[in-house]
Amino acid sequence: DSGVTQTPKHLITATGQRVTLRCSPRSGDLSVYWYQQSLDQGLQFLIQYYNGEERAKGNILERFSAQQFPDLHSELNLSSLELGDSALYFCASSAPGLARGEQFFGPGTRLTVL
Amino acid sequence: LAKTTQPISMDSYEGQEVNITCSHNNIATNDYITWYQQFPSQGPRFIIQGYKTKVTNEVASLFIPADRKSSTLSLPRVSLSDTAVYYCLVGGYSNQAGTALIFGKGTTLSVSS
Repeated sequence: DSGVTQTPKHLITATGQRVTLRCSPRSGDLSVYWYQQSLDQGLQFLIQYYNGEERAKGNILERFSAQQFPDLHSELNLSSLELGDSALYFCASSAPGLARGEQFFGPGTRLTVL
Repeated sequence: LAKTTQPISMDSYEGQEVNITCSHNNIATNDYITWYQQFPSQGPRFIIQGYKTKVTNEVASLFIPADRKSSTLSLPRVSLSDTAVYYCLVGGYSNQAGTALIFGKGTTLSVSS
């Protein structure tokens, strides 16, 4: 157990819909990252927040957005869903003072778009 | 970020030592080498990190030659439960705010009995 929680575990929805994925980082971790893992693209970095502020953006589509709240939990919003958005979405967190590059990943949310 | 090259797959038997080599010819002075392990449908898990020479922890060793253009993850006496994908990542990581990880395709290790 990494200490990072994600809800829901599974999500099945239809094309065109909007969903919200939630992540709670490890206690005390200020940085939250979102990653998408699909069969054809592998693990891809989407976006990073640090203490409520957006810090880095990766291959995140304009239809996707995220935020980190004052209690440090984060939400990833996916809208106008397409079949190709079906993937595992992971949230990770990290803390200063640890080994550089060490992140703790949650169990993921499996999104299926029908 | 330095590009990494590692074998797509490797096979081993229980009890053997497995060495997975990663090439990173364009590694920068500030870059660290980090390895992650991922089981199916689970998030990646940090295994080990190093900058130069040799690093050892309770699960693996990491060997880095002087030129740092490659690194080798060594897993002693693997078991069936070591069957997973292993990712080699190279980058300069911010220790304060953290840095996004850029994953390649990884090496799928299959351990048989």
